[in-house]
Amino acid sequence: DAKTTQPPSMDCAEGRAANLPCNHSTISGNEYVYWYRQIHSQGPQYIIHGLKNNETNEMASLIITEDRKSSTLILPHATLRDTAVYYCIVRVGNSGNTPLVFGKGTRLSVIA
Amino acid sequence: DVKVTQSSRYLVKRTGEKVFLECVQDMDHENMFWYRQDPGLGLRLIYFSYDVKMKEKGDIPEGYSVSREKKERFSLILESASTNQTSMYLCASSLTGSGTEAFFGQGTRLTVV
Repeated sequence: DAKTTQPPSMDCAEGRAANLPCNHSTISGNEYVYWYRQIHSQGPQYIIHGLKNNETNEMASLIITEDRKSSTLILPHATLRDTAVYYCIVRVGNSGNTPLVFGKGTRLSVIA
Repeated sequence: DVKVTQSSRYLVKRTGEKVFLECVQDMDHENMFWYRQDPGLGLRLIYFSYDVKMKEKGDIPEGYSVSREKKERFSLILESASTNQTSMYLCASSLTGSGTEAFFGQGTRLTVV
């Protein structure tokens, strides 16, 4: 079972920041937070991951609370192409051989 | 760029047929995974493999088997296809080690009639 809770859907105006929340209140010390997204009719795409520090890459920023029980994915300037289902996943360790367990995710609609 | 290629984008098979879904990755990844995705149920793990000739059951292995004879190729086999196996099938691969993410193929939409 997925260990995360996300809102089922969100809207965001094009050009604005999209802030997608995720609750993972039972996260363990050795579990990382991963974010993936799935654009319609495509396979999921990796966005970012982190353990306890905030992370940023060319796609997004990940803000993890100090107690690590929740996190927020930030798309700084959302475009129509960012319309997708976003999955927050908690995963043991930082090893690629641990399968990803997907929940229902958040369907983000970016509106012109 | 890492590429995970699934042999077919769309496939239609008859009930009772043996079906092979092929997945090939070109980045020497140790780990490969098969998921299926259904409306309302999300992505569910069928099987995965850590290495050549190794396989592990996921959450829903019933009715499926897998084969990994070469590192780059991971096949999902439906021994006798049934209509409840109509679904989108997604293959993924990843390295073992730190900072690794999984790369997914485009998916195979299988319809069993």
